[in-house]
Order: sequence, then C-alpha cells, then structure tokens
Amino acid sequence: QSVLTQPPSASGTPGQKVTISCSGSSSNVGSNYVYWYQQLPGAAPKFLIYINNQRPSGVDRFSGSKSGTSASLAISGLRSGDEADYYCAAWDDSLSGYVFGAGTKVTVL
Amino acid sequence: QEQLQQSGPGLLKPSETLSLSCSVSGGSLGSYWWTWIRQPPGKGLEWVGYVYYSGTTNYNPSLERRATISIDTSSDKVSLKLDSVTAADTAVYYCVRDVSMVRGIVGPWFDLWGQGTLVTVSS
Repeated sequence: QSVLTQPPSASGTPGQKVTISCSGSSSNVGSNYVYWYQQLPGAAPKFLIYINNQRPSGVDRFSGSKSGTSASLAISGLRSGDEADYYCAAWDDSLSGYVFGAGTKVTVL
Repeated sequence: QEQLQQSGPGLLKPSETLSLSCSVSGGSLGSYWWTWIRQPPGKGLEWVGYVYYSGTTNYNPSLERRATISIDTSSDKVSLKLDSVTAADTAVYYCVRDVSMVRGIVGPWFDLWGQGTLVTVSS
C-alpha cells in the first residue's frame, strides 16, 4: 500500500482539462516538495514537475499545485499522447526516504 | 547526451542474490545521489535506496536490510545487490540519477533514468 494516495484512474476527451490528486500527510506532502512523473506505456518514467509546481523546459500543458497535505497535477488541452500513468512523489521525514503514490492511469476518451 | 546503461541477469531463483550495475555514458557520476527504483509488473514505483558520490547510503526500511548499493568512482558505475530474493522481488529495476543534492533542494528530483531491467525470481 502506497504512502501517498492517488485515484487509480482519470479520463477526459481531447482538449479537456484533467486533474489528478495526491494526498499525503504532515511527514511528506505537508512538509516537503512534491514531484510528478509521467510513465508512458512500456517506457521508463519521465520527470514532469518539480518543487510542487515548477516545470522543466519543454514541458507545457502540465501544472502542479500543493496545499497542506494534498497536491494535484493538471493536464490542460488533453491529447492522446498524454495517455500514461502519473505518479506523485515526495520525501518522507518519518521514513527518511522517498515515497510514491500508486499511480493514476489517464485515459483519453 | 548522457545515458544510464544497466546490466545484470534477468532470472534468479529464490534465495539467490540480485546483482545489477549501472554505468554512465557521456558523463560522470558527479555529485549526485544515485538511486534504484523498482516496479513490480503492473504496479507502481518503489524507492529501493540511494548512494551518494561519497559512498553514503540510505535504504527503504521495507527491504529489511537486504539491499546494498555501492558506487565505483574509478569506473563510473553504481551497483545494487539484493540478498535472499523471493518472488515478491520480481520487478523492473531502474537506475536513476537524483539531482536533489546538486540543486540544494529536497527531492526526489530524478532527471535521468536507465532503461530498466526486468528481474524475475522463479524456481
């Protein structure tokens, strides 16, 4: 069972905005930065969002936010190429290590 | 362009030791945390542990001290050993570069991933 809680699935039609939540606790999301990773089918994960809401160059349409012990990832202008699993991650002070969410599978209808 | 190249056996028997290595091409180990992440088939990501350039390590407590991550700066290689494997250790193992320390920020800031190695434990 993952330390961070994500919905197992999310979906939308092309062009829509989809939001994925990530719920944690005071020892992880509540006190540390949240990162997001995208894993396309059959591929290694790819770095998507860092320090809660910062995007690496070349990443657009994806935005992150954090409030208290919850974070979220929004995908705007949804495309078929966005079909993937999305994972949130953070440092956990109690574990003294990194923790992940179980992942959310995004489907474009 | 920097790449991480993983190597190691893909099939083990229960109680054997998993041994994987990761080399950096087009770059060096530098002052990074070198991390291993695993992903059981059809499941999510799990942090195994990391080693710093200096040799300092940190592991996921759930692995019950079976994991050892080491670094060889002379050959720019990082290694993972996992003792006494069982079917529950069947997973794709990724070697990953964590730039958190270099950026002075708490991670996990994983900017470079290896191709992944599927390790199957079966009798």
